[in-house]
Amino acid sequence: QKEVEQNSGPLSVPEGAIASLNCTYSDRVSQSFFWYRQYSGKSPELIMSIYSNGDKEDGRFTAQLNKASQYVSLLIRDSQPSDSATYLCAVTLNAGKSTFGDGTTLTVKP
Amino acid sequence: EPEVTQTPSHQVTQMGQEVILRCVPISNHLYFYWYRQILGQKVEFLVSFYNNEISEKSEIFDDQFSVERPDGSNFTLKIRSTKLEDSAMYFCASRPSAGPSEQYFGPGTRLTVT
Repeated sequence: QKEVEQNSGPLSVPEGAIASLNCTYSDRVSQSFFWYRQYSGKSPELIMSIYSNGDKEDGRFTAQLNKASQYVSLLIRDSQPSDSATYLCAVTLNAGKSTFGDGTTLTVKP
Repeated sequence: EPEVTQTPSHQVTQMGQEVILRCVPISNHLYFYWYRQILGQKVEFLVSFYNNEISEKSEIFDDQFSVERPDGSNFTLKIRSTKLEDSAMYFCASRPSAGPSEQYFGPGTRLTVT
């Protein structure tokens, strides 16, 4: 079993729609959860962090965490073509390493 | 806004040569990391560094790799004898504290070993 597993892509949504990205993790003691956006050839850009169960909203982005189910998700509302990228889920214990999923490639079609 | 910087952006080297990748973490951050990403693959952890010593390293980080914080600002990754399979993007990252805190990545160095 992969330590961090993301829903397989690619994911394609029309402009203005909601994009839903999912991630599950295997280590129950994980404490910090991050979503990064990565454009081709660029470094991961942090877009959301979440540390406790529930929802966290930041503009068009909502992260959801359910530690009992070992599940974290990212919703992107009113998707824009500029949101087209690979989204990486990362899971961390304390100040240790981040373990990344394979990423989900999102395409937003105008 | 403070950011992690890395130099060079692209390094080409011949197999067997030594390379040093440089990073300047965000100034008030205490934890430093190196990751790599082989083209088309996921981001992989190499090493973490805190209080002037390695706190954790992966299986990838063998005796050919070393890290150093030679002064108060730079954080370097050295590969002593590069192999073709070392070709990848190398990312430096830093975070401010041990508790729940965000980790920020630098722009990366693309290493090409020929």
